[in-house]
Amino acid sequence: TQLLEQSPQFLSIQEGENLTVYCNSSSVFSSLQWYRQEPGEGPVLLVTVVTGGEVKKLKRLTFQFGDARKDSSLHITAAQPGDTGLYLCAGEPSGTYKYIFGTGTRLKVLA
Amino acid sequence: EAQVTQNPRYLITVTGKKLTVTCSQNMNHEYMSWYRQDPGLGLRQIYYSMNVEVTDKGDVPEGYKVSRKEKRNFPLILESPSPNQTSLYFCASSLFGEEETQYFGPGTRLLVL
Repeated sequence: TQLLEQSPQFLSIQEGENLTVYCNSSSVFSSLQWYRQEPGEGPVLLVTVVTGGEVKKLKRLTFQFGDARKDSSLHITAAQPGDTGLYLCAGEPSGTYKYIFGTGTRLKVLA
Repeated sequence: EAQVTQNPRYLITVTGKKLTVTCSQNMNHEYMSWYRQDPGLGLRQIYYSMNVEVTDKGDVPEGYKVSRKEKRNFPLILESPSPNQTSLYFCASSLFGEEETQYFGPGTRLLVL
């Protein structure tokens, strides 16, 4: 079974701090996606990274795709309480039509 | 409004009693998928479909069936539910392609007694 391992699993920080979430795999992915999920709802897409080494920014969120397309990171600058939620990486391993999710990082930002 | 709908949203049943969870999308998406979400295990793909009459197993297909007779519908069938199938289930759809956004339904919370 191909895996996407996320770290850390849990993160509790103060408002204004920076943080980075990692998503790692031994498999190569054609693209990786980052989702955010609120309690009781389905995941919602934040960004898709496609090219090895690619960096995408979404306001205070910066996403990077590893050069070998096996890993990705999400960096949040100056976290706010509204960033609280479950962050998931996901993707389709190259050569398959399956879709796998990371185990998730539950972030809590305290005011 | 573009959306994925699931029914029912909540279901309590007993072991062995067949049930179906419906999923419908109005975006003309080719790819549809079912996931289950369990604490500590994340979202795991049960089955997926690349188009009408084309379905395949995900990572955890045991105990589940699906069908894709129409493009918009992708029901999940539990022929003989067991307590280990108690979970939160999500249906999702997307255009076919690795970069395409998956749109998720609101989820179905199932309890099997």
